Amino acid sequence: DAGITQSPRHKVTETGTPVTLRCHQTENHRYMYWYRQDPGHGLRLIHYSYGVKDTDKGEVSDGYSVSRSKTEDFLLTLESATSSQTSVYFCAITRASTLGDEQFFGPGTRLTVL
Amino acid sequence: QQQVKQSPQSLIVQKGGISIINCAYENTAFDYFPWYQQFPGKGPALLIAIRPDVSEKKEGRFTISFNKSAKQFSLHIMDSQPGDSATYFCAASAPQTGANNLFFGTGTRLTVIP
Repeated sequence: DAGITQSPRHKVTETGTPVTLRCHQTENHRYMYWYRQDPGHGLRLIHYSYGVKDTDKGEVSDGYSVSRSKTEDFLLTLESATSSQTSVYFCAITRASTLGDEQFFGPGTRLTVL
Repeated sequence: QQQVKQSPQSLIVQKGGISIINCAYENTAFDYFPWYQQFPGKGPALLIAIRPDVSEKKEGRFTISFNKSAKQFSLHIMDSQPGDSATYFCAASAPQTGANNLFFGTGTRLTVIP
């Protein structure tokens, strides 16, 4: 499981409220990622981090912000949640392998915005 | 637009049969092509991956076939088993140093009938 935990695992919130999802890793990986998974779209990259305080946008970053103050934690924040952000959110890390860098995913957080 | 196109959307195969899932891409900068397997309620798990310097890679019952000129790659599951019933995602990336921003297909739900 690449030592990745996500919290909370499930959350129901209301439109307009702020939400923060946490990804925690125990193996000191430099790169961390946030994806969202929606039917008909597969997984899409929201933001990623290449080190403490170093982050960049992905394909679907609008409405999301991230922070990484420690190597082990990568936070995803929805400043004002909307119904379109109802989704399953996955965190991932990159681990070196014989093929190069490979991504491994956490267990996911199911977010419902009412 | 979808950078990686995956088909079929769903697939039903008899136990012992061959499951074939196809993916196509346009970006010739892609040089890493993984397949992920996902069971309900779980995160995607890396199944097998290939780089374009080889045309085929086999791991157990799973084989990736890669056609660089056609910009297509496929996953073959030999002797399909009910335990293979899951959603499969192809992906592609053009890795920068240490990073691996994946573009995913939309997924194929495989059902293997006993």
